[in-house]
Amino acid sequence: KAGVTQTPRYLIKTRGQQVTLSCSPISGHRSVSWYQQTPGQGLQFLFEYFSETQRNKGNFPGRFSGRQFSNSRSEMNVSTLELGDSALYLCASSLVPGGASGNTIYFGEGSWLTVV
Amino acid sequence: AQKITQTQPGMFVQEKEAVTLDCTYDTSDQSYGLFWYKQPSSGEMIFLIYQGSYDEQNATEGRYSLNFQKARKSANLVISASQLGDSAMYFCAMREASQGGNNRLAFGKGNQVVVIP
Repeated sequence: KAGVTQTPRYLIKTRGQQVTLSCSPISGHRSVSWYQQTPGQGLQFLFEYFSETQRNKGNFPGRFSGRQFSNSRSEMNVSTLELGDSALYLCASSLVPGGASGNTIYFGEGSWLTVV
Repeated sequence: AQKITQTQPGMFVQEKEAVTLDCTYDTSDQSYGLFWYKQPSSGEMIFLIYQGSYDEQNATEGRYSLNFQKARKSANLVISASQLGDSAMYFCAMREASQGGNNRLAFGKGNQVVVIP
């Protein structure tokens, strides 16, 4: 079955612009989370959604936002882009939130964002 | 405080040999899960293996096995019979029950592995 799908794969934006990234989870998965990966900070948790509700949020400014739709697809938005927002943005999905056995978390290929 | 520590520098491994990647973690939770992921240069984070804190046996998935030592808070990944395609960054990550039963992972900084023929 199809894995986690993220679009677009690569994009270049200018400082001050905004960007929207999309994530389609594995079929049947209802929990979606987002991560930012940079060389300096490594992998950092952004937020998590389940049943269209944000369940948890990482330590990022309000310029970073997201949402989840009724079909479990998710989008994240970054407004007023800064150079430091250049990163690989990874989306992950699982059946449900939480540590039940077998509730593996799968990631997509990521969206490479460059801010110039 | 860092929750996941991966301290090994980049490693060169001979093809067909085994390699062990170290991971130590810090948590006060009794219930937690440990994941290992592989990230090639393309960026995709590929799931390798999972170990739950209450699992009595070490997890295995094909050529991947996990040496889980709960008292020492370590979860080392063993890759047997290395292949050229194993060249990648490897990340250890932890999900803690105290984080609200969600899917918030804390990641280590990763181990770079290069397999040489």
